[in-house]
Amino acid sequence: KAGVTQTPRYLIKTRGQQVTLSCSPISGHRSVSWYQQTPGQGLQFLFEYFSETQRNKGNFPGRFSGRQFSNSRSEMNVSTLELGDSALYLCASSLNAYEQYFGPGTRLTVT
Amino acid sequence: DQQVKQNSPSLSVQEGRISILNCDYTNSMFDYFLWYKKYPAEGPTFLISISSIKDKNEDGRFTVFLNKSAKHLSLHIVPSQPGDSAVYFCAASVNTGFQKLVFGTGTRLLVSP
Repeated sequence: KAGVTQTPRYLIKTRGQQVTLSCSPISGHRSVSWYQQTPGQGLQFLFEYFSETQRNKGNFPGRFSGRQFSNSRSEMNVSTLELGDSALYLCASSLNAYEQYFGPGTRLTVT
Repeated sequence: DQQVKQNSPSLSVQEGRISILNCDYTNSMFDYFLWYKKYPAEGPTFLISISSIKDKNEDGRFTVFLNKSAKHLSLHIVPSQPGDSAVYFCAASVNTGFQKLVFGTGTRLLVSP
């Protein structure tokens, strides 16, 4: 079974721009979560989608948004990029309530 | 407010010895705990988990211990192998039916031959 895939793997953007990241979950998984990883902060929960509905949201500003499509694929969008948004963005999919399987991440650099 | 803490940023162990990684939490509502391993340029890989109704779970070389009264869990790796060198994250969850893991900041394990 194919794992979680994320595209693109690397991205360089300029302050003020917006970016869209994509995630394809493991086949059959309907829950998709997004996390931000920065040095010293560990993994911070962004939001979780299930059947196209956002069920849970972390403490991030409204510039961070996401959506999920009927095939469970998910996208997250960051508008008006700031230098502090530079991070590894991880997507995870899940079948049950606990164990999540992560993709390789998208490394975003904001200059 | 760091609800899950890994106070040791790094740990060095010799091959064949035991590695013990520690994690403390503050939220008594957490009822499920997980350990993930992460190599550079890869996403975290699920390693082992434990429910709050248990105090020990074992899977091959990996054992997780949970001490609810102390709000402490630990991961034991025996015997340690060089391939175990990675960053280890502990994570916790509350059974709300939602998918939200709270992660610690990670411990970098280095196993030397």
